Amino acid sequence: GAGVSQSPSNKVTEKGKDVELRCDPISGHTALYWYRQSLGQGLEFLIYFQGNSAPDKSGLPSDRFSAERTGGSVSTLTIQRTQQEDSAVYLCASTPPGIRPHNEQFFGPGTRLTVL
Amino acid sequence: KNQVEQSPQSLIILEGKNCTLQCNYTVSPFSNLRWYKQDTGRGPVSLTIMTFSENTKSNGRYTATLDADTKQSSLHITASQLSDSASYICVVSRTGGGADGLTFGKGTHLIIQP
Repeated sequence: GAGVSQSPSNKVTEKGKDVELRCDPISGHTALYWYRQSLGQGLEFLIYFQGNSAPDKSGLPSDRFSAERTGGSVSTLTIQRTQQEDSAVYLCASTPPGIRPHNEQFFGPGTRLTVL
Repeated sequence: KNQVEQSPQSLIILEGKNCTLQCNYTVSPFSNLRWYKQDTGRGPVSLTIMTFSENTKSNGRYTATLDADTKQSSLHITASQLSDSASYICVVSRTGGGADGLTFGKGTHLIIQP
C-alpha cells in the first residue's frame, strides 16, 4: 500500500516568506509526528498528534512554527517569516494504532526547505 | 538526561567487508530500541526492534545486539553491499508513550566503496 507522502519534495523560499509543508500519513495511522533534520544532526522532534488528543507542541522551536491535522489525517506544518536557520529537511512519520508503546514509525521522504 | 550516543560518526569500508556500529544510551525506563536505515534523500526505515528481553535479532545481513545491563546496542552488517551506504539511526523508547518518549541518536554515516 501507499506509504507516507510529503509535499513538496523541495522548497526554496526567500527569508521572511511563509511556507506550508504537507504530510499525508498512511491510512488508518492514528499518530503523526513532525521532525526537523539539519545537516549532520539527528532528528529534532517538533510536534506530535495522537488521535483526537491535543497535540504535543513541546518541540516547536518558536511561535513562527505551527501545525494542524485535519480530520485525523493530513497534516500541514506552517513556518511563518522564515529564517535561514529554518533550512533543513522536514520529516513526517505516522504510526499505526496499538497498545505497544512507540510502534514503528513510518517516515515520509521529507521536504527539503532552503531559505535564501 | 535521556541520551543516545552513536559511534562512529562516519565510516568508510570496502564492499564485501563487515562492520559494526555502536549505540550507547542512558534512556530510562527502557522500553525498546530500534535501528533505522536512512538512504540519502529518503526517510528512515526500521531495520530491527529490540525489547528488554532480547539480546540478538537478525534481519538478513543485519544483526542487532542489545545489552540492557550496560545499555549498549550494536548493529553488525555482514558482507557489505553498495546499497548499504546510508545513515543508520538508533532510537530508544522510554515507557510511558508520547513523542517525548523517543530519543534519537545522530546516526552513523556509512559509505561502502567498491
